[in-house]
Amino acid sequence: GAVVSQHPSRVICKSGTSVKIECRSLDFQATTMFWYRQFPKQSLMLMATSNEGSKATYEQGVEKDKFLINHASLTLSTLTVTSAHPEDSSFYICSARTQWDIRLQFFGPGTRLTVL
Amino acid sequence: AQSVTQLGSHVSVSEGALVLLRCNYSSSVPPYLFWYVQYPNQGLQLLLKYTSAATLVKGINGFEAEFKKSETSFHLTKPSAHMSDAAEYFCAVTEGGTGTASKLTFGTGTRLQVTL
Repeated sequence: GAVVSQHPSRVICKSGTSVKIECRSLDFQATTMFWYRQFPKQSLMLMATSNEGSKATYEQGVEKDKFLINHASLTLSTLTVTSAHPEDSSFYICSARTQWDIRLQFFGPGTRLTVL
Repeated sequence: AQSVTQLGSHVSVSEGALVLLRCNYSSSVPPYLFWYVQYPNQGLQLLLKYTSAATLVKGINGFEAEFKKSETSFHLTKPSAHMSDAAEYFCAVTEGGTGTASKLTFGTGTRLQVTL
């Protein structure tokens, strides 16, 4: 139980294009999901908190118009990187908070984004 | 505010030797503490968690951690390292509650290398 998937696992795109990453909780409902960014050999940095049916809460310094988050259902949150640039290249990881223990998050396998 | 410090960005042990990964935390309220493991190009897998019950917590793959309030520590140990334990390990803390208070704060990670 408590499986979180991400799609795609890897994406390469041209500079200026937009990329959408999906995060799904496969066997539980998640009213809250989180999006993290991880640079090589570094820790995870929280980008935003995604709440089902409401606007996402962004961390300081994260451009909400660049990183669009939609949490349309209890099992799906999407992150769209708009007008991607090479500096957006990174490993993006989502997590979903469980309903039986709100302090517990399960993580997706991550998406490697490379912007050329 | 909550924070986590992981001493040693890189730890190397011989196969069969004791594994000790250090984590110290700072929290204004009783914390919830977690250890996650990350294999290359993958998401995070929960190893174990401390949620104010038993101070010695047993996790998967033979790992365990002991919560020591007096030392504000939550070190991860395993009696005998296996080659498959080579990975990046993250300690994380949350102060619990709902909303923003349930965010995870990660340490900078410790890369465990296991040699023959």
